[in-house]
Parts: sequence; structure tokens; C-alpha cells
Amino acid sequence: DIVMTQTPRSLPVTPGEPASISCRSSQSLFNSYDGHTYFDWYLQKPGQSPQLLIYTLSYRASGVPDRFSGSGSGTDFTLKISRVEAEDVGVYYCMQRIAFPYTFGQGTKLEIK
Amino acid sequence: EVQLLESGGAFIQPGGSLRVSCVVSGFTFSSYAMSWVRQAPGKGPEWVSGISGSGENTYYRDSVKGRFTISRDNSKNTLYLQMNRLRAEDTAVYHCAKDKYYDSSGLFDIWGQGTMVTVSS
Repeated sequence: DIVMTQTPRSLPVTPGEPASISCRSSQSLFNSYDGHTYFDWYLQKPGQSPQLLIYTLSYRASGVPDRFSGSGSGTDFTLKISRVEAEDVGVYYCMQRIAFPYTFGQGTKLEIK
Repeated sequence: EVQLLESGGAFIQPGGSLRVSCVVSGFTFSSYAMSWVRQAPGKGPEWVSGISGSGENTYYRDSVKGRFTISRDNSKNTLYLQMNRLRAEDTAVYHCAKDKYYDSSGLFDIWGQGTMVTVSS
């Protein structure tokens, strides 16, 4: 199975400040046949189920504010929030879907200072 | 409005069987693959199984192969997961998740709230 490793595990942030979460995969998530990177970010807000945030490396899901951006290549990926807001609290998960079984990272808990 | 509503979770002894269901509304069910994704208490999500829109193609993680069976009834807009020979490590909230495409891609654009399955003696 492809192992997804996230850092940091906990991220306290002051509102209005930027935040960054990293994720590394044990194998490349780039598909050379179609040129896509099969890597996504999800956010699980307190008491809710996960919601899609960023898909195929850098595409924002419907309704996701443009303060969220995804980048990276191959095995190293980053989620950036340009200015954190109170509603961004929760656990962020990275996920690979280039191969079965689809696998998630352990999560990064973002909290407001 | 798109909705996924799971049911059937229970407290069950090791070795037992259980079927959980997911009734959907708000989209053409047969046009999309579906998956079950579980989340053990305090842990991250873990993909369990997926099925194509017609039900022709099914996919499982190794730890549930031969024990779990995913199926769907497109006439009832319902997804199922039959779980046999349950183990303590199967304890989790089981979410159904809508795939963005007809065959399983792992791109889950809608998730249900989940149903709790507890396996314990």
C-alpha cells in the first residue's frame, strides 16, 4: 500500500496568518499516461464527515474559497491557506488515489491560537 | 439537495455478521460509483470498498477481501456493505461516499455522516 505521511500533526495558527501542511507519499502519484497527479486534500470539521477541498493536486472543489491552494509533484505535496479564518479549524487529510487501496494521511489538526 | 443516509450500524460480537446500508437522493445514483470509507475512533479515514455505477466492478482492500461484500440496488437508490466474520479491528464509523465518476476513481465529492459499527465481546 502507498503510505501517506503528513506534517505537522498539529498546527496552531493566528487568524489572518498563513498556514501550510505537507504530505509525502511513498510512491509517485503522477500518471505519465494522462499527465494527472492523483492526490487530494480533505477537511474534516468538528462533528462532520470529511469534505473534499482540493483534488487532482491543485483544483479547488466547488465552494472552496480561493485562500486554499494545493501544489507539489511526484511524492511531495503542500496545502496552503493564505489567511486562516476561524471556520478553517478541523483535521486536514491528504489522500492518494493512483492505486488501490486508496490511502489517507494521518491528519493535521488545525486550531486557532 | 444531494443526501447520503447510512443505517444499520450496531454493537456485534467478533465473528458475527452485519449489513449496513446507504440510501441516496438528489442525484442519478446509477451514474456514479460509490465507496465505503471507515473511520476508527480518533483515527483517519480508511477506504474499504468501491463499486461502479452498474455494480459490475467491485474493489476491496486486502484486509476485508473474502469477508465483506459491496453491492447496490439502483432501483432503490441504495448501497450496501455486507460484513461477515467481523473482527475488533473493523470497529469504526462507516461512511458511504459518492464518487465523481462512473467507475471507482477515489474522488469522493459527497460523504454521508456515517453509521457506527462496534465489534466487541
